[in-house]
Amino acid sequence: DAGITQSPRHKVTETGTPVTLRCHQTENHRYMYWYRQDPGHGLRLIHYSYGVKDTDKGEVSDGYSVSRSKTEDFLLTLESATSSQTSVYFCAISGRLGDSRNEQFFGPGTRLTVL
Amino acid sequence: GESVGLHLPTLSVQEGDNSIINCAYSNSASDYFIWYKQESGKGPQFIIDIRSNMDKRQGQRVTVLLNKTVKHLSLQIAATQPGDSAVYFCAEKRIDDKIIFGKGTRLHILP
Repeated sequence: DAGITQSPRHKVTETGTPVTLRCHQTENHRYMYWYRQDPGHGLRLIHYSYGVKDTDKGEVSDGYSVSRSKTEDFLLTLESATSSQTSVYFCAISGRLGDSRNEQFFGPGTRLTVL
Repeated sequence: GESVGLHLPTLSVQEGDNSIINCAYSNSASDYFIWYKQESGKGPQFIIDIRSNMDKRQGQRVTVLLNKTVKHLSLQIAATQPGDSAVYFCAEKRIDDKIIFGKGTRLHILP
């Protein structure tokens, strides 16, 4: 267990509402990532962070924003949720001192449904 | 364009036999290739990686082979067990540290 949690684990919301997902880690990993997983697409990178206040876009960043104000928390925000954002969202972490940077540890996932 | 894909969406293997999961990639500008395992209801779990300048790497019951000539990656699991039943993803780590995943292969273990 790499000490990574996601909240909420399940959420149902309506189109047009804002949604924030939280990823929390306890083991001082430098890198944090947000992915979405959809049938037929595998995992796709939304945004990632390589340090506090340092973030960058992934493959599918449109409609999402992120913030990392401290090492342990990485927030993913959908400013105005759309039905196409219905998905399972995974947070991942990597880059603890001594670990391989290729070894990402994934959280349990958040299932988001946008009606 | 860039892609990391898989030849077969589902693979059924008899318990005790060896499993071979294949993956093709098109982007040569990657420094590592990685295999992940995802069990139902859980997040992916790192299995093994291989640097792009290597052609083989072995772990516990797993071997990854990289053929850069034909841009092909494979994961071999020896003596497949029921606990190996999962979806397996290949992924590439690009030089900008982004990890791009393939679509996954489901490994089904026959009793």
